[in-house]
Amino acid sequence: KNQVEQSPQSLIILEGKNCTLQCNYTVSPFSNLRWYKQDTGRGPVSLTIMTFSENTKSNGRYTATLDADTKQSSLHITASQLSDSASYICVVSTYITTGTASKLTFGTGTRLQVTL
Amino acid sequence: GAVVSQHPSRVICKSGTSVKIECRSLDFQATTMFWYRQFPKQSLMLMATSNEGSKATYEQGVEKDKFLINHASLTLSTLTVTSAHPEDSSFYICSAREYTEAFFGQGTRLTVV
Repeated sequence: KNQVEQSPQSLIILEGKNCTLQCNYTVSPFSNLRWYKQDTGRGPVSLTIMTFSENTKSNGRYTATLDADTKQSSLHITASQLSDSASYICVVSTYITTGTASKLTFGTGTRLQVTL
Repeated sequence: GAVVSQHPSRVICKSGTSVKIECRSLDFQATTMFWYRQFPKQSLMLMATSNEGSKATYEQGVEKDKFLINHASLTLSTLTVTSAHPEDSSFYICSAREYTEAFFGQGTRLTVV
């Protein structure tokens, strides 16, 4: 069964500090892994997307890593800001076959709260 | 990046009535759109895959007669919650794909009273 597990479930950090969120997956066949940020009451917004051959990808203060061998990914947030408070969702996509839309498997997310 | 617009963002309706939610891809064509439901503090759950010009594909356990999906054009899919009940209260989100990227609408908070 395809699964995506994220840890920690929730996290509170002080503004300016760094943090790392983890994602383990058992999705097969693997196509790509995405990290989304979801503010409360809003739809998810894409942060990064990585394919099998990519080990790391950055988007501003967000840096995602991918280890396809161990099926693990992490999202590192540098110099956190109050606006980073949100849920961060790891999403893994299965391989696209002709005429078939790929399936997305969603993690349960990590709820990050950045405080003063 | 591409934009997916969802409307309305919030709706309150009485039990027994129907509610229609629209999902539009604003600057690209989407032959396939997806409808998700999200309960508080939980992840998105796929309800159905909406295919332009054909019937939607529903996930196991989702009542197709209750959640009517219409994908009449390449830029618009609608989800109608029929005969809504309080247990249908939830956050509904649509998504559209452009190449390998998935873009999500802003979500619709449905409250049935």
